[in-house]
Amino acid sequence: GENVEQHPSTLSVQEGDSAVIKCTYSDSASNYFPWYKQELGKGPQLIIDIRSNVGEKKDQRIAVTLNKTAKHFSLHITETQPEDSAVYFCAASLYNFNKFYFGSGTKLNVKP
Amino acid sequence: ETGVTQSPTHLIKTRGQQVTLRCSSQSGHNTVSWYQQALGQGPQFIFQYYREEENGRGNFPPRFSGLQFPNYSSELNVNALELDDSALYLCASSLVGTSGGYEQYFGPGTRLTVT
Repeated sequence: GENVEQHPSTLSVQEGDSAVIKCTYSDSASNYFPWYKQELGKGPQLIIDIRSNVGEKKDQRIAVTLNKTAKHFSLHITETQPEDSAVYFCAASLYNFNKFYFGSGTKLNVKP
Repeated sequence: ETGVTQSPTHLIKTRGQQVTLRCSSQSGHNTVSWYQQALGQGPQFIFQYYREEENGRGNFPPRFSGLQFPNYSSELNVNALELDDSALYLCASSLVGTSGGYEQYFGPGTRLTVT
């Protein structure tokens, strides 16, 4: 089955700096890659996603890039704010099975 | 808020007991997936229900079972509880069509503690 690895496990940045979280996947058939933000005591919240026919997608301060050849994708958060502090998860999926394989998570701490 | 609700919020059970967790999917969605999230880890896929049938299963034993109802709500049942079953149980709803499905929206989860 699919194996998703995520790095780093913790990331501490100063407010206003950028944060980058990286994931690799093993199954070249995976074609959908969502990112989730999970705050303490809450369920994961979908923040951005990308499909394999696209190399990059942006939504305000958040962007995701995908390299299908290398089988890795990354989340970029610019101008970080304290409210960005949370655990972020990447996932990979084959859309017609709609089963997500998650990474182990990155705890992002944005210092004011 | 996603519109996906789960009950109960917290639950404490004893080893060997049985538990039922409930999920109400987002309006317009026809598929529910269940995940187990151990402390400090990413969610792990348990199984998915589509049109009241199991549609894929992860590496979980048969004592994990589920149901989906005509209104697309769902239940997760776990028999013979073990200490390792202590986790946050998440359900996610999605709309799956003939060309597949993508976005899954999660509920807040049920925290299960087995003593």
